[in-house]
Amino acid sequence: DQQVKQNSPSLSVQEGRISILNCDYTNSMFDYFLWYKKYPAEGPTFLISISSIKDKNEDGRFTVFLNKSAKHLSLHIVPSQPGDSAVYFCAASARWSQGAQKLVFGQGTRLTINP
Amino acid sequence: NAGVTQTPKFQVLKTGQSMTLQCAQDMNHEYMSWYRQDPGMGLRLIHYSVGAGITDQGEVPNGYNVSRSTTEDFPLRLLSAAPSQTSVYFCASRLLAAVGGELFFGEGSRLTVL
Repeated sequence: DQQVKQNSPSLSVQEGRISILNCDYTNSMFDYFLWYKKYPAEGPTFLISISSIKDKNEDGRFTVFLNKSAKHLSLHIVPSQPGDSAVYFCAASARWSQGAQKLVFGQGTRLTINP
Repeated sequence: NAGVTQTPKFQVLKTGQSMTLQCAQDMNHEYMSWYRQDPGMGLRLIHYSVGAGITDQGEVPNGYNVSRSTTEDFPLRLLSAAPSQTSVYFCASRLLAAVGGELFFGEGSRLTVL
């Protein structure tokens, strides 16, 4: 039962254009959504997050949009740069046992920025 | 600041062997966790801990044991390795009160079970 889905395994974008990465979820109890970026042979690093009470959060070139009615979020990167080439994981957070927040991850999307 | 440190980075085991993946963090984070990453599956939670002496199971706990005797360390034990445990393992930590659950990850440990 995949609660967080990234249906595009890969995406190729030209440098300078906009990259849009998509993510769908099924559990309406998720209260935060996060994007992580992962380079080869490194651990994932946090990129940007959004609370379920908001519909947009912006940080420099990165903007995350949340559509609760569609249970869909997207990450926009503009303008795209070669250093943005990486695997991007969408994650959703929900309260779990012992007060911890459980992060459920999507399968990841490999973004390639072409010069 | 070292952050989250995992050892070893690479390991090859034979079926039935045991081993321990080490994880240490120096950020005084209460919450620590282990994930495995498999192609097409994303990151799946194995076990987690909210403090010394407290551990609990994640989504895929079978075949793995954990303990948390100190705030800093959270080792993952494979008692009898199976080929299905071939994967990349990530340790991650955060402050328990961190809003939104942002995790800090180690660099990963690549395990191959023959």
